[in-house]
Amino acid sequence: DTGVSQNPRHKITKRGQNVTFRCDPISEHNRLYWYRQTLGQGPEFLTYFQNEAQLEKSRLLSDRFSAERPKGSFSTLEIQRTEQGDSAMYLCASSLGGLGSPLHFGNGTRLTVT
Amino acid sequence: QKEVEQNSGPLSVPEGAIASLNCTYSDRGSQSFFWYRQYSGKSPELIMFIYSNGDKEDGRFTAQLNKASQYVSLLIRDSQPSDSATYLCAVYINTGNQFYFGTGTSLTVIP
Repeated sequence: DTGVSQNPRHKITKRGQNVTFRCDPISEHNRLYWYRQTLGQGPEFLTYFQNEAQLEKSRLLSDRFSAERPKGSFSTLEIQRTEQGDSAMYLCASSLGGLGSPLHFGNGTRLTVT
Repeated sequence: QKEVEQNSGPLSVPEGAIASLNCTYSDRGSQSFFWYRQYSGKSPELIMFIYSNGDKEDGRFTAQLNKASQYVSLLIRDSQPSDSATYLCAVYINTGNQFYFGTGTSLTVIP
């Protein structure tokens, strides 16, 4: 069990650029979640996958955000036409699923939009 | 009303004391309850989880759940300076397979 891996750890981009983040979950975990966290706030749900199927997406998520999990393994989160308000820590977490199996978080990707 | 409410703190306790962190939740469909510790600039780290009413102990940590009052707490005994962090309460609701997080309570343990 090597844990949840996220890349890159930090990303600085200019407003209007596209960015993509990657998450590799714990191998036997079939559920994968993306969260966003800003300073002083708890993690805010963005979307989640069960295997390769994206089952839920936050209504707060604009259409500039898209996520994929091809083949039910790693996942990518893309933000198009970034805005300064997108600056945050993007957290990926995985779980076995079932009744409240805990989320295990990666180290996160810190995005700064200048 | 937010699904999970926590006092943001900050909470300060002297080294060796008991730190008590509290959390309330609004959805009676909440089935599982989690406490995460988050150091500044780091990602959340699971401390404990509890499903049933009552207490669950793990080392210096005790989680307490009261479903009738919709209340979860975390007690940290013999607090250490290394316990200084933000503690996040999370609940899992089976409908939609969602985890909801509170905003966290900042704890400082004073040597």
